[in-house]
Amino acid sequence: DAGITQSPRHKVTETGTPVTLRCHQTENHRYMYWYRQDPGHGLRLIHYSYGVKDTDKGEVSDGYSVSRSKTEDFLLTLESATSSQTSVYFCAINAWGMGQGATSTGELFFGEGSRLTVL
Amino acid sequence: KQEVTQIPAALSVPEGENLVLNCSFTDSAIYNLQWFRQDPGKGLTSLLLIQSSQREQTSGRLNASLDKSSGRSTLYIAASQPGDSATYLCAVNSGGGADGLTFGKGTHLIIQP
Repeated sequence: DAGITQSPRHKVTETGTPVTLRCHQTENHRYMYWYRQDPGHGLRLIHYSYGVKDTDKGEVSDGYSVSRSKTEDFLLTLESATSSQTSVYFCAINAWGMGQGATSTGELFFGEGSRLTVL
Repeated sequence: KQEVTQIPAALSVPEGENLVLNCSFTDSAIYNLQWFRQDPGKGLTSLLLIQSSQREQTSGRLNASLDKSSGRSTLYIAASQPGDSATYLCAVNSGGGADGLTFGKGTHLIIQP
């Protein structure tokens, strides 16, 4: 199994409060992603990172911010949580562009998810 | 924009049957395609990764094929077991690792004992 740890795994919070989800990897992979998964919508990309301090927006980035100050950690912050952000959040990593002498396979690995409920 | 469709959305079969799950994509210019399994309340587990230059990959009772020209991939499960019950998703990588990943919505598979 890829070394990906998400925390917290479960959180209940109230509307308007800030929330930070953490993704930690031990694989030294370059790419890290935050997705949310909702019934009827599947997996949707929130933000991604292609290196330390290098991040970009995905298709559902409004209301979310991210930071990556170290290769191993990718933080997702909801500055002021809303009920529409109730979801399961998944972190993923990808070694695309790395490898020894050749482009990596680009295989994607996921964490176990963080279930967030905003009341 | 790449679109990925998985058919059927749900499937229920008796134990022991061989079955095929389908994944279609609209843009054939892909780098790779990956099949995942997701159990309820869990993350996605990688099953098979097929590079654009490959036609198929096998792992145990699973075989995934790729036909880029027709925009299709199939996941073949041989001799299905109740433990194979899960949601199966395919993901297409159209561009270099970042926002080029597009997921299907999955096929919910139930294997009846």
